[in-house]
This record gives sequence, C-alpha cells and structure tokens, in this order.
Amino acid sequence: AQTVTQSQPEMSVQEAETVTLSCTYDTSESDYYLFWYKQPPSRQMILVIRQEAYKQQNATENRFSVNFQKAAKSFSLKISDSQLGDAAMYFCAYRSALIGAGNNRKLIWGLGTSLAVNP
Amino acid sequence: ETGVTQTPRHLVMGMTNKKSLKCEQHLGHNAMYWYKQSAKKPLELMFVYSLEERVENNSVPSRFSPECPNSSHLFLHLHTLQPEDSALYLCASGPRCSAGGLNYEQYFGPGTRLTVT
Repeated sequence: AQTVTQSQPEMSVQEAETVTLSCTYDTSESDYYLFWYKQPPSRQMILVIRQEAYKQQNATENRFSVNFQKAAKSFSLKISDSQLGDAAMYFCAYRSALIGAGNNRKLIWGLGTSLAVNP
Repeated sequence: ETGVTQTPRHLVMGMTNKKSLKCEQHLGHNAMYWYKQSAKKPLELMFVYSLEERVENNSVPSRFSPECPNSSHLFLHLHTLQPEDSALYLCASGPRCSAGGLNYEQYFGPGTRLTVT
C-alpha cells in the first residue's frame, strides 16, 4: 500500500524568504501523480501544484515549485518570496495512475505541515 | 472560489439527532467525494460517487448515509452519531476517472465543522 510522509509538522518562514516543505512517499508503482494542497485557516483546500511521475521536469506555478526525485521518492515544495497569505496547512498527496476499480480514485494524504509566515 | 459549496459551515448536534450535510458543485464534474478530516490524522476518504453511483465505501459506519441525487449534489445524512465523529467533513468533486484523463486533482468545498455533543 502507498504511504505519504510529511516529516515536518510545523515550519516557519520570514516574509519574502524561501521555504521548502518535505514530502516522501512509498509506492511500488511507476506511474502516478503527486499533489500539494494548501488549506488556509478558512479551511478551503486548494490545489497548489501537481506533478506527473512520468515527467522529469519539475512542475512550477508562479512562486511555487517542486523538487521531484523519483528514485528517492521525494516530492518537496519550495515557496519563494513567501507572503503572509501563504500561511496554511500544506498537504502532500499521491494518486495512482493505474486504471481499475478504486485504484485511481483515492488520494493518499500526508499528515500536513503547518506553515507560519512571520512579518 | 472553487465552485464547490457546502452547507452548513458549522453544525452542533446531539447524539440522537438526525441532520444532513449538503454539497453542491458547479464545475461540471461527475465524481464527488466525502472526506473526514480529524486532527493529527490523514484525510479519510469516506465515499465516492461516480455518475451518481456509489463506487466506493471505505468501511464507514452506517450512521453515515450518503445520497447523490444527481451529478451536482451530494448529501451526507447523519444519524445517532458519536462524539468521536466530531470533525471537519469535506466534500470534493473531480472529473470521472477515465483512460484519457490526466487531471486527477480534486476540488474541495470549504467543509462543515461538525461537533457531536
């Protein structure tokens, strides 16, 4: 069974600085998707960035980028030029790309990292 | 604004009450999900509906009863809950899984904070 581990329950960063959130996962599959979701205090979960495992290029969305190391099963999120609005819980999630009943419906979630942004 | 709404946002109910949570999506998706989010635990997938048919039920107690009357609406009927059922209940929607689909992300509603007393 797949698992997702976020080893940093809490992180903090100074405004305008860069922070990296860690995520590792365990799977025997070769094709899958990885996601970072953000859940601000308002509680609405928002997709930040996604990565297809078959792509070698790291995904980037404005100030958010990932460092995807497939061999190491690592999927870290880098937030550049941190802003106060980036303060939230960040969840890493895995989803199988296998076609079949149940396989590609489930997102496997980490426990989350609470990010504080200090002014 | 993600196009997924949930009502109510907060609910306090006694163990003998019956209540329902409502989710509505305006994104044209045809798969909908119920999740339970508790402190210090990963999100727990409860139910999945695809084209209004329940396709997954992750051993959820029968005191939780989902209903999906159409692809835009999803309900979670609650009956004789326990205090340990207190949690944030999240609804999500997404495109139905298919061989051609690449975007498997899910779009979440704001959640219902449920407290069982």
